[in-house]
Amino acid sequence: QKEVEQNSGPLSVPEGAIASLNCTYSDRGSQSFFWYRQYSGKSPELIMFIYSNGDKEDGRFTAQLNKASQYVSLLIRDSQPSDSATYLCAVDTNAGKSTFGDGTTLTVKP
Amino acid sequence: GAGVSQSPSNKVTEKGKDVELRCDPISGHTALYWYRQSLGQGLEFLIYFQGNSAPDKSGLPSDRFSAERTGGSVSTLTIQRTQQEDSAVYLCASSTLAGGPYEQFFGPGTRLTVL
Repeated sequence: QKEVEQNSGPLSVPEGAIASLNCTYSDRGSQSFFWYRQYSGKSPELIMFIYSNGDKEDGRFTAQLNKASQYVSLLIRDSQPSDSATYLCAVDTNAGKSTFGDGTTLTVKP
Repeated sequence: GAGVSQSPSNKVTEKGKDVELRCDPISGHTALYWYRQSLGQGLEFLIYFQGNSAPDKSGLPSDRFSAERTGGSVSTLTIQRTQQEDSAVYLCASSTLAGGPYEQFFGPGTRLTVL
């Protein structure tokens, strides 16, 4: 079992729909959780982080964390074609070293 | 301020040659990471430097790979006797360890092609 697992994808949604990206992790000691976005041919960039159970909203993005279930998700509301990218989930035990999932590729169709 | 920079941006080499890849982290960032990303794949962790502590080398795939970080700043990843399977994008990232969470800032990467 991988330490961080994501939906294998690819995920395709129509423009304006909600995209839901999921991630599970194995280390119960994990403290911080990150979502990075990586456009094709570019480097990853952070879009959200969360470390408390519950929801965290930032514009059209909502991160959800459930430590009991070892589950973190990212919801993108009103998806736009510009959201088409690979989304990487990363988990940190607060030692400063994050473990990354393999990513889920999202395509938003106009 | 300047972000993470890497050089060269592209490197083409012949099988069996040695290569050096350079990373300049964001000034003041004490943590530095190297990853490898093959086409269409996720990030493969290689090595992690944290301040003055011994580096975490657990991700280096073979003894042909080594890395050093001089003066707590610039880092060089060296691949000896390159093989075709070493072809990938090598990404460097840096992070501050002052408080948390520890967001990683990535450089643009070096695309290595081994012929």
